[in-house]
Amino acid sequence: KAGVTQTPRYLIKTRGQQVTLSCSPISGHRSVSWYQQTPGQGLQFLFEYFSETQRNKGNFPGRFSGRQFSNSRSEMNVSTLELGDSALYLCASSPVKGANTGELFFGEGSRLTVL
Amino acid sequence: AQTVTQSQPEMSVQEAETVTLSCTYDTSESDYYLFWYKQPPSRQMILVIRQEAYKQQNATENRFSVNFQKAAKSFSLKISDSQLGDAAMYFCAYRRPLGSGSRLTFGEGTQLTVNP
Repeated sequence: KAGVTQTPRYLIKTRGQQVTLSCSPISGHRSVSWYQQTPGQGLQFLFEYFSETQRNKGNFPGRFSGRQFSNSRSEMNVSTLELGDSALYLCASSPVKGANTGELFFGEGSRLTVL
Repeated sequence: AQTVTQSQPEMSVQEAETVTLSCTYDTSESDYYLFWYKQPPSRQMILVIRQEAYKQQNATENRFSVNFQKAAKSFSLKISDSQLGDAAMYFCAYRRPLGSGSRLTFGEGTQLTVNP
């Protein structure tokens, strides 16, 4: 079974631009969540989507948004990029029912650099 | 809100020896999950071990075991017979019960170095 796939793996943007990151969860997983990882703030929860609906949201400004499609794939968007948005963005998926052991399965992340 | 604290930013261990990483958490819930994730330089977070709060027995996975003290809200990870491949950042994480969403709250992480 394929793992969580995130694209792109690396990207460089300039301040003021916007960026879209993509995440394909493990087949059968309907919950997708996003995390921002920085050296200063550690791992912070951005949001979680289930059945195309945002179920939880972290404490991030409205410039950070996301969505989930009917096939459970998810995208997150950051508009008007700031230098402080430079981070590793991690996507994680989990099953909702059935063999749900509670763990989240992570992708390799998208490394965003804002210049 | 739940919080997770890892008080050891860095730890080191000699190959083949044992090391214990500490984690404490704060919650008012009685049912929850606790995890240790490993993040090697390749960046992908890998589950090391999980513990369900309602289970009193400490979880073990080969060389990895936990000491789960629910009353003390402590969840330490013991790595026995340490190997060079164990070198990584280790994160302790908390998850609310199933049905409450899949949000994880992470600790600050502990960077583990394994010396040959």
